[in-house]
Amino acid sequence: GAVVSQHPSWVICKSGTSVKIECRSLDFQATTMFWYRQFPKQSLMLMATSNEGSKATYEQGVEKDKFLINHASLTLSTLTVTSAHPEDSSFYICSAREPSGRDTDTQYFGPGTRLTVL
Amino acid sequence: GQNIDQPTEMTATEGAIVQINCTYQTSGFNGLFWYQQHAGEAPTFLSYNVLDGLEEKGRFSSFLSRSKGYSYLLLKELQMKDSASYLCAAMDSNYQLIWGAGTKLIIKP
Repeated sequence: GAVVSQHPSWVICKSGTSVKIECRSLDFQATTMFWYRQFPKQSLMLMATSNEGSKATYEQGVEKDKFLINHASLTLSTLTVTSAHPEDSSFYICSAREPSGRDTDTQYFGPGTRLTVL
Repeated sequence: GQNIDQPTEMTATEGAIVQINCTYQTSGFNGLFWYQQHAGEAPTFLSYNVLDGLEEKGRFSSFLSRSKGYSYLLLKELQMKDSASYLCAAMDSNYQLIWGAGTKLIIKP
């Protein structure tokens, strides 16, 4: 099946620094990628939807200036957490949608990136 | 390598019971998650198992056998709103999630 990778898998940073997380679709082209945040044993919270070549669409309550999303190619989307603070510590998961021509496109999830801000 | 297998699609009747199986192979193991995802929506957390056995939560139950690398999600008294994709995900020793491709569950009246 299709594979989505994330890099890094684990990052620890100091408060006030910026962290970039990459999401790649390895064997397919993803016109749409999604960024989620997950707290332990809770549902995935959609942060934003990113379409290749256009601006990301952010969910209500998500600060677009703090969580910068760039979808520069059909296989890569990046999430940059700017001026990170301890409350930004979380598990960030991306997914990529492969258009299949069916009414429901298939969505593949990445392994997640665990961010810890000290 | 690491992988997860679950059926691509299942069909069941309203009011009935359905069991969705998931087998996994991971480097280390830190638990198994089940999520429900309706089309166009984010996955909703259903269950987390890290010890062997059955955990019941209302109409939904989840079972885990670590020695067999096997889990199932049991849905009882099926309702039309249960039509969705069900995702199985195992967490490896690095706390990374290995995702199944999802099982599309179709409920018929």
